[in-house]
Amino acid sequence: EAQVTQNPRYLITVTGKKLTVTCSQNMNHEYMSWYRQDPGLGLRQIYYSMNVEVTDKGDVPEGYKVSRKEKRNFPLILESPSPNQTSLYFCASSLSISDGSSPLHFGNGTRLTVT
Amino acid sequence: KQEVTQIPAALSVPEGENLVLNCSFTDSAIYNLQWFRQDPGKGLTSLLLIQSSQREQTSGRLNASLDKSSGRSTLYIAASQPGDSATYLCAVSFISGGYNKLIFGAGTRLAVHP
Repeated sequence: EAQVTQNPRYLITVTGKKLTVTCSQNMNHEYMSWYRQDPGLGLRQIYYSMNVEVTDKGDVPEGYKVSRKEKRNFPLILESPSPNQTSLYFCASSLSISDGSSPLHFGNGTRLTVT
Repeated sequence: KQEVTQIPAALSVPEGENLVLNCSFTDSAIYNLQWFRQDPGKGLTSLLLIQSSQREQTSGRLNASLDKSSGRSTLYIAASQPGDSATYLCAVSFISGGYNKLIFGAGTRLAVHP
């Protein structure tokens, strides 16, 4: 089944403890992206990747890191999480973002709480 | 700066009604516009994608239109059912400063009651 898989679904951690949220897609998609969703602010893009070893900042990249060593994986790293990073995170992928014809596929989300 | 607005923020209708959700954007230089559905606690599911050269797309009871010149898109849902209850989001894809961007609207929360 074609899908975007995020892990974990729920994560509670403490301030400053490094964590990684994994994202994997099995559709051979070139484009992958991370979003956070907050009440009243909607979905905001954190980082995206056009292809392997190519990553760029989105609208809210501060406090996050990403890597794209393989086409299928795009982990989101929080080196020193803070309470303002408590949010619902989504990973998404698309065959290509620049031709305008490929829909975006989303994972089921990771609810992160930082205390 | 591209901004995406969805109206109304929430909508409650009886089953069987035809309804229209609105999405507007400020910069017409877009690659495409997508409509998504989000169920509580779940990810987004792509419903329809309209490329910049297209005027509309249809899937079952859903029809989405795009008017780039006026910066508007509508999602038409025919014969609404309780299972249509969800939040509907639109998103526009465009280039800004040499970077690919995707901006979402805040969504319309739809409740269809029996």
